[in-house]
Amino acid sequence: QQQVKQSPQSLIVQKGGISIINCAYENTAFDYFPWYQQFPGKGPALLIAIRPDVSEKKEGRFTISFNKSAKQFSLHIMDSQPGDSATYFCAASIATSGSRLTFGEGTQLTVNP
Amino acid sequence: EAQVTQNPRYLITVTGKKLTVTCSQNMNHEYMSWYRQDPGLGLRQIYYSMNVEVTDKGDVPEGYKVSRKEKRNFPLILESPSPNQTSLYFCASRSGQGATEAFFGQGTRLTVV
Repeated sequence: QQQVKQSPQSLIVQKGGISIINCAYENTAFDYFPWYQQFPGKGPALLIAIRPDVSEKKEGRFTISFNKSAKQFSLHIMDSQPGDSATYFCAASIATSGSRLTFGEGTQLTVNP
Repeated sequence: EAQVTQNPRYLITVTGKKLTVTCSQNMNHEYMSWYRQDPGLGLRQIYYSMNVEVTDKGDVPEGYKVSRKEKRNFPLILESPSPNQTSLYFCASRSGQGATEAFFGQGTRLTVV
């Protein structure tokens, strides 16, 4: 079963625009929500992560927004650049139990110049 | 340099011919996993290991075997590959419990004909 659902599957944005990728989860025990970025021919790499004790975390142009009651979290990329073109995966886990990461389906982002 | 190394990067094989994909990490991580990546399905965990001699099934373990005889190595074995195992495979390691970053290898693209 897919415990983390991600949308959209693909996204095309113009340079300078805002990219928004959404994820929804089912397991209320999840308490660690990372986002991974994957460039073609490479393995995924951690981009940014959030714990549910905060509603937002920002690192440069990348922001995670977290809505615990709705069981949703999203990645916002401000001032999107062609170099941001990649596949993005959200994930979730139960940090205190050391459980495995459950990944969403992935979003292929294309930023046009 | 901290890294996860997978070999081979590309492999074409025939149905039923046993193969092994190797994975090695140099970060002394306890936790290692294998994933397969398929379009629209994201990253699905095949097997994981919490330490030497401790392994467990992930979401899609059928047709795969693993072993963890040394902390740094976690090979993936396909005893009798079938075409539905054609996929992109990733090995990953984490330092263990908690909200820890997963480090991925560069991937192995396997084609079974």
